[in-house]
Amino acid sequence: DTGVSQDPRHKITKRGQNVTFRCDPISEHNRLYWYRQTLGQGPEFLTYFQNEAQLEKSRLLSDRFSAERPKGSFSTLEIQRTEQGDSAMYLCASSLPLGLAGYTGELFFGEGSRLTVL
Amino acid sequence: AQSVSQHNHHVILSEAASLELGCNYSYGGTVNLFWYVQYPGQHLQLLLKYFSGDPLVKGIKGFEAEFIKSKFSFNLRKPSVQWSDTAEYFCAVNEEPGNQFYFGTGTSLTVIP
Repeated sequence: DTGVSQDPRHKITKRGQNVTFRCDPISEHNRLYWYRQTLGQGPEFLTYFQNEAQLEKSRLLSDRFSAERPKGSFSTLEIQRTEQGDSAMYLCASSLPLGLAGYTGELFFGEGSRLTVL
Repeated sequence: AQSVSQHNHHVILSEAASLELGCNYSYGGTVNLFWYVQYPGQHLQLLLKYFSGDPLVKGIKGFEAEFIKSKFSFNLRKPSVQWSDTAEYFCAVNEEPGNQFYFGTGTSLTVIP
């Protein structure tokens, strides 16, 4: 158990519907990342938070995607008006920040949320 | 933007064979390098990492990797693979002082008993 939990683990939805994924990071980690992974590909960066601040967003992230981390703890990733191309595994990872005692650079991943858009 | 190349997409080996998986990255500055592994049905987990110092780093389960700066490479090795090493292996790069981690497309390793 990595300590990063994601919910739901699987989501099947119809095209055009909205979906929301939740990520609970390891409690002392103030960095939180969202990645997307499709079959045969490596994790693709979507966005990143330090505490509640969203510091980076991938240019690949369309305006249908939005992520929040309102209190600097859990995060949500919402996809509006889903398309079949959004079908993927959505991964959340957390880490300690660079320079902090105990920093190892390691990303701790959750099990992922698999989205299937019909 | 950083790119990470893994040239071996699918590798099949017999048990006890030696393994080497290639990883090349594009960034010319200071980088931190990682290998992650994903066993079937499990989450990604860290295998080993390089920050600085000795370019030959050792990780869990007998894996090691060598950082060759002049070749922008961080190849993963294991002298004798086991059936339990069957998994997806991902090379990742974090360029300092940035916060993004860039992943390669992964190598699927199948070890035949």
